[in-house]
Amino acid sequence: QLVVTQSPSASASPGASVRLTCTLSNEHNNYAIAWHQQQPGKGPRYLMKVDSDGSHNKADGIPDRFSGSSSGAERYLTISSLRSEDEADYYCQTWGTNIQGVFGGGTKVTVL
Amino acid sequence: EVQLVESGGGLVQPGRSLRLSCTASGFMFKDYAIHWVRQRPGMGLEWVSGISYNSDNIDYMDSVKGRFTISRDNAKKSLFLQMNSLRSEDTATYYCVKDSSMIGGREFDYWGQGILVTVSS
Repeated sequence: QLVVTQSPSASASPGASVRLTCTLSNEHNNYAIAWHQQQPGKGPRYLMKVDSDGSHNKADGIPDRFSGSSSGAERYLTISSLRSEDEADYYCQTWGTNIQGVFGGGTKVTVL
Repeated sequence: EVQLVESGGGLVQPGRSLRLSCTASGFMFKDYAIHWVRQRPGMGLEWVSGISYNSDNIDYMDSVKGRFTISRDNAKKSLFLQMNSLRSEDTATYYCVKDSSMIGGREFDYWGQGILVTVSS
């Protein structure tokens, strides 16, 4: 079964970096994922797609502070130079051979 | 600019029906799969249903199969979700979401602002 797992929370100080992890189920470790950001009280926003080779395609308007990478079954979202507006929930999403979307449980990022 | 605007939400009693609509603009609606994703209060995102560009490929999450029906009208650039036999656990904000592919099963690249559905007596 295709599953993606995320840590529930992460935190860092303003100006620091934070790396979020999305882990694919073992047999799906070559799948791509997408990262979405949901700021408090708002709807989600697509950030980027991250492929198994670590390449990533960001959506228009996403700052350079956001980057994606991969290692094995793990897909990462790194936020550099953390700002207060980066405090949000971050969801990874993947997809299989059918039309279904699969979401991770989300990671809540707190800017200390 | 891509826009997805949901409508049709509100308060409904358990067992009753509701029909959500999503009107799209800013892209070739007929060329993309579209989904409904929901978020229950205080919870994460849940994929509910998806439909391919030509309506040939449709699927639902298990808990809504047989109760919800997704459809689209490409001429009107609109997506629909007919929700029957509603339960309290269907209470959520429902988002209309664009897929990056025609058939579906790719990254979701645009989101609507969401519409609240409350199922309560």
